[in-house]
Amino acid sequence: GAVVSQHPSWVICKSGTSVKIECRSLDFQATTMFWYRQFPKQSLMLMATSNEGSKATYEQGVEKDKFLINHASLTLSTLTVTSAHPEDSSFYICSARGRMPYEQYFGPGTRLTVT
Amino acid sequence: AQRVTQPEKLLSVFKGAPVELKCNYSYSGSPELFWYVQYSRQRLQLLLRHISRESIKGFTADLNKGETSFHLKKPFAQEEDSAMYYCALGGSNYKLTFGKGTLLTVNP
Repeated sequence: GAVVSQHPSWVICKSGTSVKIECRSLDFQATTMFWYRQFPKQSLMLMATSNEGSKATYEQGVEKDKFLINHASLTLSTLTVTSAHPEDSSFYICSARGRMPYEQYFGPGTRLTVT
Repeated sequence: AQRVTQPEKLLSVFKGAPVELKCNYSYSGSPELFWYVQYSRQRLQLLLRHISRESIKGFTADLNKGETSFHLKKPFAQEEDSAMYYCALGGSNYKLTFGKGTLLTVNP
C-alpha cells in the first residue's frame, strides 16, 4: 500500500528558532500533500494544501509566513515553522493524496515542542 | 460552511454488543463522506467511504441525506475495535474536514 513518512517524529526546539518537518511519499508520487495540526485530544485541523511546483494554499487563519511549505518534488513536501513559540507546540501530520478523489494517505505525525 | 459533528467524545461498550458512532454533517452540495480510524500509536487510516457502500471489519455506514447523517455501525463489537474514529467530509480541492472524533472503548 501507499506509505507516507515524516521526519522527524519528535523535535524539541528553543523559542525563536525554526524547525523543518519533512513529509515523503515512499512508493508513489503525490502531486498534492496536506498539512494538518492536531492539538491534544482534538481533531485534525487542515493548515494548508501543498501542490508540487506551485505555492501552497493556506486555510483561513494560518500564517503563511510562519508556516512555510515547500513541495519541490512529487515525493517530498516540507513544513518549516519559523521563529517558533511555545504556542506552536503541537502534533503536525501530513497526508499525500492518492489517485482516487479524496483518498489521502497519512504520515505518522511529528510532535513539536517549543521551549 | 461545511461542518462535521460527532456528538460523542467517548463511547464505551462491551464485547459483542452493537455499536453506533454518530456523525452529522453540514454541506450545501452533494457530500462525500468517510470514516477514518486511528488505533493506539498508529497513523490515521481510511476505514470506509460512503460511495463504496462497503463493509470493512464488520463496520458499515449509510448516508442519510434527509437527516444529514453518516453513522458508523457494527453489530458485534470486538476488543480490537477500540480506537479513535473520525468522520470526515470531502470539500473543494479534495480537502477533508474532520469531526472531533469519538474514542471507542470495547470492554472484555
